[in-house]
Amino acid sequence: DTGVSQDPRHKITKRGQNVTFRCDPISEHNRLYWYRQTLGQGPEFLTYFQNEAQLEKSRLLSDRFSAERPKGSFSTLEIQRTEQGDSAMYLCASSSTVGTGVNIQYFGAGTRLSVL
Amino acid sequence: AQKITQTQPGMFVQEKEAVTLDCTYDTSDPSYGLFWYKQPSSGEMIFLIYQGSYDQQNATEGRYSLNFQKARKSANLVISASQLGDSAMYFCAMRDPSGGYQKVTFGTGTKLQVIP
Repeated sequence: DTGVSQDPRHKITKRGQNVTFRCDPISEHNRLYWYRQTLGQGPEFLTYFQNEAQLEKSRLLSDRFSAERPKGSFSTLEIQRTEQGDSAMYLCASSSTVGTGVNIQYFGAGTRLSVL
Repeated sequence: AQKITQTQPGMFVQEKEAVTLDCTYDTSDPSYGLFWYKQPSSGEMIFLIYQGSYDQQNATEGRYSLNFQKARKSANLVISASQLGDSAMYFCAMRDPSGGYQKVTFGTGTKLQVIP
């Protein structure tokens, strides 16, 4: 069990560029979540998938953001036309519906985005 | 709406001593779950401990215990025998009933520094 893996760990981009992040969940975890964390704050929920279906999106997820999980395994989060306000840590988590029913979300190390 | 409050931005503790990190929560839902996560400087959110609202006993996991006082709506984390590696940000979080309990709402965190 290798844990939740996120790539890249760091991304520096210029305002207006598009960026894409990848998340590989713990194997056989059917739920996958994206959070955003800004400096001095706790993570804020963005969206989650159960298998390949995107079941909830936060109001924080503007039209410039899109997330996919095409085969129910890895997920990508794309930000189009980046703005300086998008600078943050983007965290991915996964969980399983199998077992005790307590939905423990296990997080990756995050992708730190800096928009110049 | 659910809310998590962590009133201690920073805490110091002497190595080998115990420390309590405060967390209060607000919810109108009778069924909820409370979590504590640790975030070292590397960025990864590490799950520490979980308490369900209907659990009869306080949760414990090794050196971590959760002092759950339901009537006061508090869920303080107690770390016994602090170690240098415990220096990190600590986040209290609650499972949010909206979206089928998949969303987790986090507090703003407490930065713990363990002094040798």
